[in-house]
Amino acid sequence: NAGVTQTPKFQVLKTGQSMTLQCAQDMNHEYMSWYRQDPGMGLRLIHYSVGAGITDQGEVPNGYNVSRSTTEDFPLRLLSAAPSQTSVYFCASRDWVGRGTNEQFFGPGTRLTVL
Amino acid sequence: GENVEQHPSTLSVQEGDSAVIKCTYSDSASNYFPWYKQELGKRPQLIIDIRSNVGEKKDQRIAVTLNKTAKHFSLHITETQPEDSAVYFCAAITGGTSYGKLTFGQGTILTVHP
Repeated sequence: NAGVTQTPKFQVLKTGQSMTLQCAQDMNHEYMSWYRQDPGMGLRLIHYSVGAGITDQGEVPNGYNVSRSTTEDFPLRLLSAAPSQTSVYFCASRDWVGRGTNEQFFGPGTRLTVL
Repeated sequence: GENVEQHPSTLSVQEGDSAVIKCTYSDSASNYFPWYKQELGKRPQLIIDIRSNVGEKKDQRIAVTLNKTAKHFSLHITETQPEDSAVYFCAAITGGTSYGKLTFGQGTILTVHP
């Protein structure tokens, strides 16, 4: 199993550009989520999904869109990049409580810089 | 929503000493409390977790305790080693659904000096 994969690993954008961060998992997990990590701020939830076709906002959703067309994929779209979105982005997946453990698995991260 | 506070933000110990990191949570419905370790430039990885129906759990040099009444839980690392140096995050899942959101503390930078 590859676990949770993310692409790209690094990205530099100019203010106003848009892009999509890709995330995929091969563990058949229903729950997937996106976090951003800034120094001293821990991991903050951007958006999450409890299954294909179902998404919801987390703590810091502004400026980001998500969709979940399949169980495996959960892309994160930056609509119009701003310097405040410079951060490390982690995708994560988890099984539901009744079927397995609660362990949440993280992808390797995408380091995004917006100039 | 859930709020998780973590202390201290930095912790420096000598090799062989014990380290304790404490977290408090706000939602009494929270029922699962994991601890993650994140080494520099890498992804967070689960090191130990505890459910709300258990007061303590140990795994070799690592232990977690939970006080539901006071709504706080702690990570204990004994006989620390330089490779324990990392950022540690506590987290809590709010119950009520099968998929409750995972809320993280702000993190503790642990440095173990040889």
